Amino acid sequence: DGGITQSPKYLFRKEGQNVTLSCEQNLNHDAMYWYRQDPGQGLRLIYYSQIVNDFQKGDIAEGYSVSREKKESFPLTVTSAQKNPTAFYLCASTGTGVNQPQHFGDGTRLSIL
Amino acid sequence: DQQVKQNSPSLSVQEGRISILNCDYTNSMFDYFLWYKKYPAEGPTFLISISSIKDKNEDGRFTVFLNKSAKHLSLHIVPSQPGDSAVYFCAAKYAGKSTFGDGTTLTVKP
Repeated sequence: DGGITQSPKYLFRKEGQNVTLSCEQNLNHDAMYWYRQDPGQGLRLIYYSQIVNDFQKGDIAEGYSVSREKKESFPLTVTSAQKNPTAFYLCASTGTGVNQPQHFGDGTRLSIL
Repeated sequence: DQQVKQNSPSLSVQEGRISILNCDYTNSMFDYFLWYKKYPAEGPTFLISISSIKDKNEDGRFTVFLNKSAKHLSLHIVPSQPGDSAVYFCAAKYAGKSTFGDGTTLTVKP
């Protein structure tokens, strides 16, 4: 089945440690996105990539980093510089075309201990 | 400054009745609008969309209405079913980026 896989579903880390969230898609989509969702709030864009080896900052990029070395993979690193990293993180991708909807993974819930 | 707002955090309707979810936006540059549905512990899934050049789009039980002059869109679900209970997000697109509202939790009671 084609889709987006985020792993792990739950992640716990100690304060001050960097942590990397995985996102893999087999939809052959060019564009990929990372969002953060806090309780009672909508999705806020962290980073996005419209093509391999290129990515742009979203609205809340501070404290995060990404890479896009392969079309199917878009890992997100939450660095120790992110002041409030505990949240639900969603990865999405979009196919070719002007107004294609986004396909989402099932998310990773990150908790900082 | 929130550019996409869903002012009702929750909505409860009886099975078989109409559900109306509302969304307001402030940026007139948005040119495409989408609704997503989200169940707990899952990612959002696409439901229905509308281009800014249209005022209505229908897909089965779901209809989206767009009022550009009021910068308002709404999602109508008729008839509502218990399986429709979920969080609904509206999203507005411009230049390839989507801006999401905070979501409305719909509960359809049997």
